[in-house]
Amino acid sequence: DQQVKQNSPSLSVQEGRISILNCDYTNSMFDYFLWYKKYPAEGPTFLISISSIKDKNEDGRFTVFLNKSAKHLSLHIVPSQPGDSAVYFCAAPDQTGANNLFFGTGTRLTVIP
Amino acid sequence: GAGVSQSPSNKVTEKGKDVELRCDPISGHTALYWYRQSLGQGLEFLIYFQGNSAPDKSGLPSDRFSAERTGGSVSTLTIQRTQQEDSAVYLCASSSQGLDQPQHFGDGTRLSIL
Repeated sequence: DQQVKQNSPSLSVQEGRISILNCDYTNSMFDYFLWYKKYPAEGPTFLISISSIKDKNEDGRFTVFLNKSAKHLSLHIVPSQPGDSAVYFCAAPDQTGANNLFFGTGTRLTVIP
Repeated sequence: GAGVSQSPSNKVTEKGKDVELRCDPISGHTALYWYRQSLGQGLEFLIYFQGNSAPDKSGLPSDRFSAERTGGSVSTLTIQRTQQEDSAVYLCASSSQGLDQPQHFGDGTRLSIL
């Protein structure tokens, strides 16, 4: 059963506009979330994280918002740039003692110049 | 280089053969993970090594899969008697201790079973 879900497989955004990537989770025990970015033929690279004690974390053009009551987080990229075109994964560490990151299935972002 | 290194980058083999995939983690990282990504799927956890502790093998899909980490550094993932459903990209990651430490990924090995 997928504990971290990304329901939008793809998203297209015009350069300069805001990109909003969404992620839902089912396990209320998750207390830390990460976003990874993946270019073709490369491994995922860490982008930004957020602890459950916060509802927002910002790093330059990237901001992650967490809504614990809705079990929802989102990644905002503004302004979007063509180089942001990649697959974005959200992830959360397993809290059961297993040493695992649960990953969503990813959202492919295309930023149109 | 300073990143996680995986070899080979691509591997094509016949069904039934054994394959060995290698991961060289970032120096000083005590934690090492193996994942696989099948077509259209998210990353699936396979196995975790932390220092000299016994590995967490809870994600291995069958007993045809095994992994070692020698000297707390390089790791090899071995798949015996490969099946077509083993075709995937196998990703290795390393991190400092703790699941809240970001994992740094290699570029993966794309395994194709004919």
